[in-house]
Amino acid sequence: QKEVEQDPGPLSVPEGAIVSLNCTYSNSAFQYFMWYRQYSRKGPELLMYTYSSGNKEDGRFTAQVDKSSKYISLFIRDSQPSDSATYLCAMSQNRDDKIIFGKGTRLHILP
Amino acid sequence: NAGVTQTPKFQVLKTGQSMTLQCAQDMNHEYMSWYRQDPGMGLRLIHYSVGAGITDQGEVPNGYNVSRSTTEDFPLRLLSAAPSQTSVYFCASSYSRGLAGSTDTQYFGPGTRLTVL
Repeated sequence: QKEVEQDPGPLSVPEGAIVSLNCTYSNSAFQYFMWYRQYSRKGPELLMYTYSSGNKEDGRFTAQVDKSSKYISLFIRDSQPSDSATYLCAMSQNRDDKIIFGKGTRLHILP
Repeated sequence: NAGVTQTPKFQVLKTGQSMTLQCAQDMNHEYMSWYRQDPGMGLRLIHYSVGAGITDQGEVPNGYNVSRSTTEDFPLRLLSAAPSQTSVYFCASSYSRGLAGSTDTQYFGPGTRLTVL
């Protein structure tokens, strides 16, 4: 079983819809959870991070962590065509530890 | 600030050739790293450095060498290129090794697309 599992998609949704992106993981020691956004032919950029369980909201984006289920989610409200990108989940055991990335989910927002 | 810059953007090599991928950052970051990104594999750490003169191996170091003579530069060397090294290579930097934190955002360069024939 891979440490981090992420459905590669592609996921196509109409503009304005709520998008749900998910990752599962096997290592219960992970404490830091991140979402990166990567536009085509660009490097990844950190979108959100959370520590331990719970929710974190930033504008149209909400990150959710359920450590009991080893499951993290990223929700995008009122999705826009500019949200079309690959979203990578990532996690680490502590602040100084290496980051393990998911394979990324390609998202297309249809105008 | 230019952020993290990488050169070249694209490169085609023949098997057995050597080359150096350049990476530079102007943010005075101590921590720099190299990743490769392959379809279906995600981002994998090749080598990293926690400061000038200090480097260490990541998840997939074989076939690659690095050195860190200055804070700004962190070149990645392919000594004898193989088709398995065809990939997109990303350099990243952050203020400290505390990668997973609000003030320790890891900044990625635009990538180098390498094809080995």
